[in-house]
Amino acid sequence: SQTIHQWPATLVQPVGSPLSLECTVEGTSNPNLYWYRQAAGRGLQLLFYSVGIGQISSEVPQNLSASRPQDRQFILSSKKLLLSDSGFYLCAWSVLASGVGVTQYFGPGTRLTVL
Amino acid sequence: AQTVTQSQPEMSVQEAETVTLSCTYDTSESNYYLFWYKQPPSRQMILVIRQEAYKQQNATENRFSVNFQKAAKSFSLKISDSQLGDTAMYFCAFMKHDDDMRFGAGTRLTVKP
Repeated sequence: SQTIHQWPATLVQPVGSPLSLECTVEGTSNPNLYWYRQAAGRGLQLLFYSVGIGQISSEVPQNLSASRPQDRQFILSSKKLLLSDSGFYLCAWSVLASGVGVTQYFGPGTRLTVL
Repeated sequence: AQTVTQSQPEMSVQEAETVTLSCTYDTSESNYYLFWYKQPPSRQMILVIRQEAYKQQNATENRFSVNFQKAAKSFSLKISDSQLGDTAMYFCAFMKHDDDMRFGAGTRLTVKP
């Protein structure tokens, strides 16, 4: 079965510091990978989307970036964090399966607080 | 652009009773997917149920079922025999393409003992 991991689970960082959040998927090959952000009490906003190694699409202009160095690894980064970067970050994966269609499955998330 | 509206910010239901959460969406597409996700206090997003727009039959997963009204662009979630563990935020989501899933603002459901 497929499993998605995210770390760290929680992170407190000062403004202006760098960021690196990691997401890995097990039990599947060539998944589509996604980074979402959820502000407190709000829905999810898609940040980045990747269909393969080195292929990243950005949905929202910001000081965040994403990379996919391996098939099942997706990294969210920032060189200098802003207060507005605080939130809950979720990684998700999807694979088109015959007879099932596309469904996204989410990791446990990372709670980021920027002070 | 597709939008998803959940008009009920909060709802409550007594244990063992039935509750229905509303969701409407706006699109000009004819083929798409609709989802309900549950987010308990742990904040893990859990898929509850999904519906393909080309299927007329409403999806059902155990105690969870949907009422999909394509013409009305409505996709409500019915939870039967509510359990305490159903307490969570529920998000309705619309997806046309793999990179374009849109979420509603969520409905906070509380199941009371």
